[in-house]
Amino acid sequence: AQSVTQLGSHVSVSEGALVLLRCNYSSSVPPYLFWYVQYPNQGLQLLLKYTSAATLVKGINGFEAEFKKSETSFHLTKPSAHMSDAAEYFCAVKLTGRRALTFGSGTRLQVQP
Amino acid sequence: SAVISQKPSRDICQRGTSLTIQCQVDSQVTMMFWYRQQPGQSLTLIATANQGSEATYESGFVIDKFPISRPNLTFSTLTVSNMSPEDSSIYLCSVVGRGLAGGSTGELFFGEGSRLTVL
Repeated sequence: AQSVTQLGSHVSVSEGALVLLRCNYSSSVPPYLFWYVQYPNQGLQLLLKYTSAATLVKGINGFEAEFKKSETSFHLTKPSAHMSDAAEYFCAVKLTGRRALTFGSGTRLQVQP
Repeated sequence: SAVISQKPSRDICQRGTSLTIQCQVDSQVTMMFWYRQQPGQSLTLIATANQGSEATYESGFVIDKFPISRPNLTFSTLTVSNMSPEDSSIYLCSVVGRGLAGGSTGELFFGEGSRLTVL
């Protein structure tokens, strides 16, 4: 079954440093992939999505992700972290034939001043 | 995009009681999804609610525990029955995004969630 694995439940970076959050998917067919962000006490907000078009996907708030089929990865990056980026980030996949998404375990990003 | 409203936003409940969560969407949608997010955990799909038919439950979730109603294309309810502390979670309602032409865009939009604490 298709699923996603997020490496690292917690990531801490300094303000201004590169943000790298890792996501690997298990599938022989390129799936639909998503990154969501959840700020404290809020619902989920879509950051970006990959739908078999361009492999480098740009999202909101300066985030982007690159789909790499050879590595079955869809890592999320941001060149320079802001304090406001501190949140929980979830990678998700749309399984073939389903409308609901399957979510990874999440990565909590901390940004240190 | 879709605007999704959930009520209540949070509640504290006693063991053995039941609580119904409401989800209202600002547009007509075929499918609505109910997810559970246990403390510090990811999201797990409870069920898919289609208007005019019974909800489809995922493995590990049963209708007696989580009855769902879907009376029209903009509204759904999830009841958490006979609650125990293990039911303390955030419950989230979501729908599939629609493009300008009406087709699915693939992503899900979420409500703010209903945070339940069971004592």
